[in-house]
Amino acid sequence: EAQVTQNPRYLITVTGKKLTVTCSQNMNHEYMSWYRQDPGLGLRQIYYSMNVEVTDKGDVPEGYKVSRKEKRNFPLILESPSPNQTSLYFCATKTAREFYGYTFGSGTRLTVV
Amino acid sequence: AQKVTQAQTEISVVEKEDVTLDCVYETRDTTYYLFWYKQPPSGELVFLIRRNSFDEQNEISGRYSWNFQKSTSSFNFTITASQVVDSAVYFCALRQTNYGQNFVFGPGTRLSVLP
Repeated sequence: EAQVTQNPRYLITVTGKKLTVTCSQNMNHEYMSWYRQDPGLGLRQIYYSMNVEVTDKGDVPEGYKVSRKEKRNFPLILESPSPNQTSLYFCATKTAREFYGYTFGSGTRLTVV
Repeated sequence: AQKVTQAQTEISVVEKEDVTLDCVYETRDTTYYLFWYKQPPSGELVFLIRRNSFDEQNEISGRYSWNFQKSTSSFNFTITASQVVDSAVYFCALRQTNYGQNFVFGPGTRLSVLP
């Protein structure tokens, strides 16, 4: 079954404690992306990757890091989380073919206290 | 600049009513793609439809229909005979071909269908 797997689904952490949200896909998609969803703002892109070892900033990259060492994995790293990073995060993947849209993971609800 | 506006923050209808969700976009590109996604209360994002800029044909899929009008930069979504299971947040999104793989999302419209 084609899927995008994010873990964890829910996470409560304290300010400054490094954390990683994992994302894995089994569709051999080239593109992977991280979005955050906040009320009234829709989804905003944090980082994206066009292929292994190729990553670039999206619209709201501050406070986040990513890596793409393997095609299937695209973890999101918060080195020193702050309360303004409390949000709902989505990993998304897509094929390089132009016409197709993103397939989204189930989301990770992060609370930073 | 690229932008997606969904002016309706929340809509409530009674079951079996028809409802239209508005989406207006801004782009300088001549080639672009438009999408609608549904986010039910469980939180996941479900793809509904995509449309490219050179195909203005309207589309119907069961109770769902989409009206794409380039002249007004709109891509509206209509649910006919709404059902309680249609209750969700609906997002319209735009992807310009000159901006890589970033999708610009609207703020979403929360639809509540009351029994």
